[in-house]
This record gives sequence, structure tokens and C-alpha cells, in this order.
Amino acid sequence: AQTVTQSQPEMSVQEAETVTLSCTYDTSESDYYLFWYKQPPSRQMILVIRQEAYKQQNATENRFSVNFQKAAKSFSLKISDSQLGDAAMYFCAYRGPEAGTASKLTFGTGTRLQVTL
Amino acid sequence: NAGVTQTPKFQVLKTGQSMTLQCAQDMNHEYMSWYRQDPGMGLRLIHYSVGAGITDQGEVPNGYNVSRSTTEDFPLRLLSAAPSQTSVYFCASTPSGGSYNEQFFGPGTRLTVL
Repeated sequence: AQTVTQSQPEMSVQEAETVTLSCTYDTSESDYYLFWYKQPPSRQMILVIRQEAYKQQNATENRFSVNFQKAAKSFSLKISDSQLGDAAMYFCAYRGPEAGTASKLTFGTGTRLQVTL
Repeated sequence: NAGVTQTPKFQVLKTGQSMTLQCAQDMNHEYMSWYRQDPGMGLRLIHYSVGAGITDQGEVPNGYNVSRSTTEDFPLRLLSAAPSQTSVYFCASTPSGGSYNEQFFGPGTRLTVL
């Protein structure tokens, strides 16, 4: 079974600074999909960024980017120019290559990000 | 589009009671899923469906039933509630076409079992 590990239960960053959240995963598949979700205090799950394993180029969405290291099975999230609104729980998630696995995400345990002035 | 809706938002049950958590989506997504979120454990898959009439178990299915009679609805039934089922429950839907297939989540239901 696939596993997703987030080893940092909590992180803190000052406003306007950069922070990196770590995620590692275990899979025997060669193609798969990885996601970062944000969960603010409202509890709503919001997709931040996604990456397909066969794409070498790291995904970027505005201030959010990933460092995808396929051989190391690592998928870290970098948040640049941190804002107060970035304070949330962040979850790393994995899904397999088959179409039916789109309904079956495996989540990490989350990293709570605090943004300070 | 309302997206994914869940009712109720909050619920308190006594041990042994049964109830149904409702989930509906208006995006014509083929896939739907139920997760539970517990402190320190992330989201764990309870049951999922790849289409009307087709359901399967996820990682933590015990104590829960699902059915999918329509594309839009995917209710989760607690047969005899236990304190271990105290959790936040999320329903999600996913389109079947294209790549990535982002999951869209409902707002969640906070369930407390006394």
C-alpha cells in the first residue's frame, strides 16, 4: 500500500519569508499524481498545486512551487513571500495512475503552518 | 454550481444510534468518496464509488455503509454509532475524464458520538 509521510507536524514562517514543507511517499508505481491541499480554519480543503510523476518539470502556481525528486520519492512545497492568509494545515496526497484511483487519495498527516508578523 | 454539499454540518449522536450523512454534487462527476479526518491522522478513505451502482471499501470501512443510486448522491450510513466514530467527515467528488482529476471536497460534517 502507498504511504505518505509528512515529518513536520508544525512549521512557522515570518510574513514575506519563504518556507518549505516536506513530504515523502512510498510507491512501486512509475506514474502517479501528487497533490498539496490547504485546509484553513474554515475546514474547507483547497487544492494548492499538483504534479504528475512523469513530468520532469516542477509545478508552479504563483507563490507556490514544488521540488519533485522522483528517485528520492520526495515532494516538498515551497511557499514564497508568505502571507497571513497562508496560515493553515497543509496536506500532501498521492493517487495512483489508474483512472479509478482518482477517487482514492492517500493523505499524509499534515503540517500546520503558522505565519507571524 | 453549488459544488459538493454535505448535511448536516454538525451532529451529536448517542452510542448505538444510526444516522445518514448526506452528500450531493451537481457537477456530474462520476467518482465520489468519503473520508474521515482525525487529529494527527490526516484524511483516511472510508468508501468510494466510481459510478452509480458501484461502490468499494477504502482504508477504514468498518461501521459504515454506502450506496450510490444516482450520479449526484452518495450517502454514508452509520449503522450503530460508536465513540470511535467521532470525527470530521468529508465527501469529495472527482471528474473521470482528463488527467490529474482534482478532487472537490464538501465543507465537512463534524460528528460527535457520546
